[in-house]
Amino acid sequence: DIQMTQSPSSLSASVGDRVTITCRASQGIRNDLGWYQQKPGKAPKRLIYAASSLQSGVPSRFSGSGSGTEFTLTISSLQPEDFATYYCLQHNSYSYTFGQGTKLEIK
Amino acid sequence: EVQLVESGGGLVKPGGSLRLSCAASGFTFSSYSMNWVRQAPGKGLEWVSSISSSSSYIYYADSVKGRFTISRDNAKNSLYLQMNSLRAEDTAVYYCQGNDWGTDHDYWGQGTLVTVSS
Repeated sequence: DIQMTQSPSSLSASVGDRVTITCRASQGIRNDLGWYQQKPGKAPKRLIYAASSLQSGVPSRFSGSGSGTEFTLTISSLQPEDFATYYCLQHNSYSYTFGQGTKLEIK
Repeated sequence: EVQLVESGGGLVKPGGSLRLSCAASGFTFSSYSMNWVRQAPGKGLEWVSSISSSSSYIYYADSVKGRFTISRDNAKNSLYLQMNSLRAEDTAVYYCQGNDWGTDHDYWGQGTLVTVSS
């Protein structure tokens, strides 16, 4: 099975900061990766698909990059509504695997 | 408007069974692979099972293999998860999810809580 190592597990930042979250795959997964945002009590919401494509309706301050084994999610200028937990998901091979999550908190 | 509505969650004793359902509307259900994803209280997301659009391909996480069965009825726009031999560690919110990985089509239900406890 493919393992996804996501870092950091938590992050404190301020409104306006630029933040980066990383996921590393235990083997190459091409660009078969998505990034999700989840707020308490809500279903996850996809932000990025195919590693770098912005989901419709998602603000352009979110961006994704990477291919193969290393992937990043960048938020260029944090807004108050961005404080949430973020997950990567690989769908290159069954079983699908989520990263452990990154909780983004207000500093 | 796309909707996925899960039902069937509840409290069940260890060793018991439960069947979850997911009713889909607002998109061409029969064209999409569907998944079940769960989240234990205070924990991260865990993929549980997937079924292809025509039910030709079915996959399970090792943690549920042999105990859970995924199925779908395209005529009824519905997805199911039969859960047998339930354990305390199966306690979670179960989400129904549909997607087309190469596009921005990614749909989630609101989740249904399954609690396994004596």
